[in-house]
Amino acid sequence: EVQLLESGGGLVQPGGSLRLSCAASGFTFSSYAMSWVRQAPGKGLEWVSATSASGVTTYYADSVKGRFTISRDNSKNTLYLQMNSLRAEDTAAYYCAKGRTDIPTLWFDWGQGTLVTVSS
Amino acid sequence: EIVLTQSPGTLSLSPGERATLSCRASQSVSRSYLAWFQQKPGQAPRLLIYGASSRATGIPDRFSGSGSGTDFTLTISRLEPEDFAVYYCQQYDSSRWTFGQGTKVEIK
Repeated sequence: EVQLLESGGGLVQPGGSLRLSCAASGFTFSSYAMSWVRQAPGKGLEWVSATSASGVTTYYADSVKGRFTISRDNSKNTLYLQMNSLRAEDTAAYYCAKGRTDIPTLWFDWGQGTLVTVSS
Repeated sequence: EIVLTQSPGTLSLSPGERATLSCRASQSVSRSYLAWFQQKPGQAPRLLIYGASSRATGIPDRFSGSGSGTDFTLTISRLEPEDFAVYYCQQYDSSRWTFGQGTKVEIK
């Protein structure tokens, strides 16, 4: 059974940094693309970032480009999202999602999310 | 960036009724990369349909997807109590993923 467990969320001041983690199990992590998707309180879903299975290729939404960095450690079965220069509008639940193949296209399995609150 | 517009915003129906949800794209979307998700309060999204019409593993056959080009539809043939939720369409194009704003299916 695919399991994705996000962690690292919390309260951070504007301009601060946070690193999210997503621990994966139940599948061969190194064979699948991964992604982060967020949802602001009471709002819809917004794609944030994605990475290929190898981690060589990465993609970012314009809203986070230059501030967020996606990475993965295939030896630890873990996906990361380093978030810098955080803004109030980054407040959201952040979900990690598993792709269907090694190339990012569709997101089949999702974790339960971790909440990030950016506030002074 | 391809914008997805879902309608209606809210659908008020009774259990047993048929639900028809629409997703319209600002430009043509590949059928292969059109998906539908269900989300219940406090839960993560769950994939229902991918490739516009293929049901994900474990999804009941009362859920079906159709459409092509810029117009896609999710149909729930007979609503069960557990189907009342928010539904999102999603597309992938040119290394970008966008979601519709969601349709809430509520109990009438």
